[in-house]
Order: sequence, then C-alpha cells, then structure tokens
Amino acid sequence: QKEVEQDPGPLSVPEGAIVSLNCTYSNSAFQYFMWYRQYSRKGPELLMYTYSSGNKEDGRFTAQVDKSSKYISLFIRDSQPSDSATYLCAIGNTDKLIFGTGTRLQVFP
Amino acid sequence: DAMVIQNPRYQVTQFGKPVTLSCSQTLNHNVMYWYQQKSSQAPKLLFHYYDKDFNNEADTPDNFQSRRPNTSFCFLDIRSPGLGDAAMYLCATSRSGSDQPQHFGDGTRLSIL
Repeated sequence: QKEVEQDPGPLSVPEGAIVSLNCTYSNSAFQYFMWYRQYSRKGPELLMYTYSSGNKEDGRFTAQVDKSSKYISLFIRDSQPSDSATYLCAIGNTDKLIFGTGTRLQVFP
Repeated sequence: DAMVIQNPRYQVTQFGKPVTLSCSQTLNHNVMYWYQQKSSQAPKLLFHYYDKDFNNEADTPDNFQSRRPNTSFCFLDIRSPGLGDAAMYLCATSRSGSDQPQHFGDGTRLSIL
C-alpha cells in the first residue's frame, strides 16, 4: 500500500462546477497537509497548507482534513478554465514529505 | 519577486555524457531539494541540503551527485545519463523545519539521445 494515494483522473468538469479532489494516506503520524497546483511544463505551486483537522478556506479553494479517516480534500468553487492543471497533495511529518501522483483537472468553457 | 530559478529549462544530452543542472534562489532559504518527476508520477526526492549538510535518499542512484557552493546555488550532476534518466528535474527550497512548505522552480526537462 502506498503511503499517499491519489486518483490520477483525468477529471473533466464544466466551467462553474464545484470540484472535489482527494487523497488518502496510511500513516497516522502525518501532521502536515499541502496542496500544490502544477501547470503543464511548470513546477508545483503551493496552494494550501494546513496542520489540523477541519476546513481552511482561501478564496475559491477550501482544504479539508479528516485525520480520523486519513483523508484530505481540496474543493474548488466556481471552477474556471484557468484552473485546468494537475493538483498534487503532499503529506508529511517531521521525517518526510510525500507527494501524491496528482489528479489532472480539465475545466471546459 | 523572490523565487527559485532553474537553468536551463530544457536540456538535451547524449547517452553517457555528463550533464549539470543548476538552481538558484533569492528566498534565502537554508534547505534546498532536488526531485525527479516522470510523466504522471509524483515528484521523487533525490537528495536535499540542510545548509551545507548533504542528505541522500537511500534509493538515489550513485549516478546522481549534487553540489551546493553557497546558500543561493545548488547543482545536480548526472555523471553518465541513461535513457531512464529522462525526466523533469525540480529544485525546491524551504526554511528549516520539516513543517515548512517547499517552493519549487519551474524545472529542467532533460532528454537523453
């Protein structure tokens, strides 16, 4: 079992839709939860970062962490074509940070 | 803007011919990382520097070396590239502390002929 699992997609949605992206993890010692966005031929860009269970909101993006289920989500409201990218979760503790394989999202007009 | 800059963006080399990729940062972060990312895969950590202290991942091939001459610069040397080394190489930086988020450059895409 991989330490971090992420559905690779692709996920295709119409403009304006609410998008839900998810990762599961196996190690209950993981404490830090991040979401990165990676456009084609670019490096990952940090979107959201949280330590704790619950929700964290930033504009159209909401990160949700459920430590009891070892499950994290990123919600994108009012999705735009410019949101089309690969979204990687990154989960870690004091020893290491592990990236998911990324979910490719396509938002069509 | 403070940033992580990787040069070149695209690099083509021949099978077995040594190649060096470079990374510079203006963030003044003391930790620098090198990742290898293949298509549709997660970035794979090769090694990182905590200041001048070099930390190699256990499964990083000996073919890969790194140098960090100062805080701002870090180099990835591939001594004898094989076809399997064709990938995107990402440099990242962070402040010290494993809870600190990493900031990435745009990568160097390496092709092997």
